[in-house]
Formats: sequence, C-alpha cells, structure tokens
Amino acid sequence: DSGVTQTPKHLITATGQRVTLRCSPRSGDLSVYWYQQSLDQGLQFLIQYYNGEERAKGNILERFSAQQFPDLHSELNLSSLELGDSALYFCASSAGHRTVGDEQYFGPGTRLTVT
Amino acid sequence: EDQVTQSPEALRLQEGESSSLNCSYTVSGLRGLFWYRQDPGKGPEFLFTLYSAGEEKEKERLKATLTKKESFLHITAPKPEDSATYLCAVQATFSGSARQLTFGSGTQLTVLP
Repeated sequence: DSGVTQTPKHLITATGQRVTLRCSPRSGDLSVYWYQQSLDQGLQFLIQYYNGEERAKGNILERFSAQQFPDLHSELNLSSLELGDSALYFCASSAGHRTVGDEQYFGPGTRLTVT
Repeated sequence: EDQVTQSPEALRLQEGESSSLNCSYTVSGLRGLFWYRQDPGKGPEFLFTLYSAGEEKEKERLKATLTKKESFLHITAPKPEDSATYLCAVQATFSGSARQLTFGSGTQLTVLP
C-alpha cells in the first residue's frame, strides 16, 4: 500500500459525459501528479500540482482539467468524453520540495471505460 | 524532448536464470532515473532512484545501475513472483518544483517455475 488513495476504482460512462476522479496523497506530500496509461501510449504525464498550484503540464487535453484543494487532495475532471479516453488514470504524490529523494508513489488507479 | 527506450519488450526466464533489462535515455539534464514494478491492473510500485553515473542500488534479487546514457536492472536468480512489468522513468532538471516523470514502455518479465 503506497498510501495514495484514488476513487472510484472503476468508472463506466458514455461518450459526451463528464466525470471526476479523486486522489488523496500520502500524508505529508505536497505534490500530486496525474498520469494516463493506455495500451498504445504507455504511462503519460498529464499535470502536476504543488501545494495547490499548478507546476507542470504535459499532454493534457483541453477537455481535461485538474485542481488541488487546501487539504491537498486533487481532482481530475474529464469532459466531453470520447472512446479514446478509456484508460487507467493514476495519481501519484511526492514530497515535492526535495532535490533528491523526491520519489513519486502511485495510487491504485481509476479504470475509465467510455462506451 | 526527453526519451526513454526499454528493451527487451518482453522477457521469459526460467526460475533461477539471471538476466538484465535495459533502459536507454536522452534527457537535457538528469535529475534522477527511477525504476518501478507494475503488476497487471495495479499502480506502479517504486523500486529505485539513481542520481549519477556509477551509482548502484540493490533490493533483494534486483540491482540497478546507471551510466550516462543507460540504466540496467539486473535480476539474479529470479522467482515466479518477480513476474511483472518493469518501468524505467527519467526526471529532468527543471527549475522550481516541476517534477514530472517520462516513462519508457516497459519490459514485461515472466519467470517460469
């Protein structure tokens, strides 16, 4: 158990819909990261938040957005869903402020299926 | 653009048959190289971080090494429970607190009893 929690575990929804994925980081970690894993693309970085502020952005679609709340949990919002958005979505957390030893620990993931 | 290439894509070993997995990388400046293990349908599990060429780290039957262009994950006398996908990732030297990882596509290891 990494200490990172994600809900829900599974999500099945229809094209065009909107969903929200939730992540709680490990106790004491200030940085939260979102990654998408699909069969053809592997693990792709989406976005990072540090202590409530956006710090880095990867290949995140404009239909996707995220935020980190004062209690440090984070939500990833996916809208106007398409079949190609079906994937595993992982949240990871790290202390976020160390130069070394800033390992990212991953949650169990949310499996999103768009039908 | 940071790139990570892992080989082989898949590896089948007999129990006790040692081998190595390769991770080649190109990055503007390396902050760290990470190895993770991932079981099907689960989140990646952190194994090692390497920071500079020549560094080595060990954990049970696994040993990770780093050069300026590649990293190796050596598996000594593997057991069936070592079967998993092993992922390599690099973290570039960014300013501030940007810390994203760029992952390779992984090596799927199967250890047969």
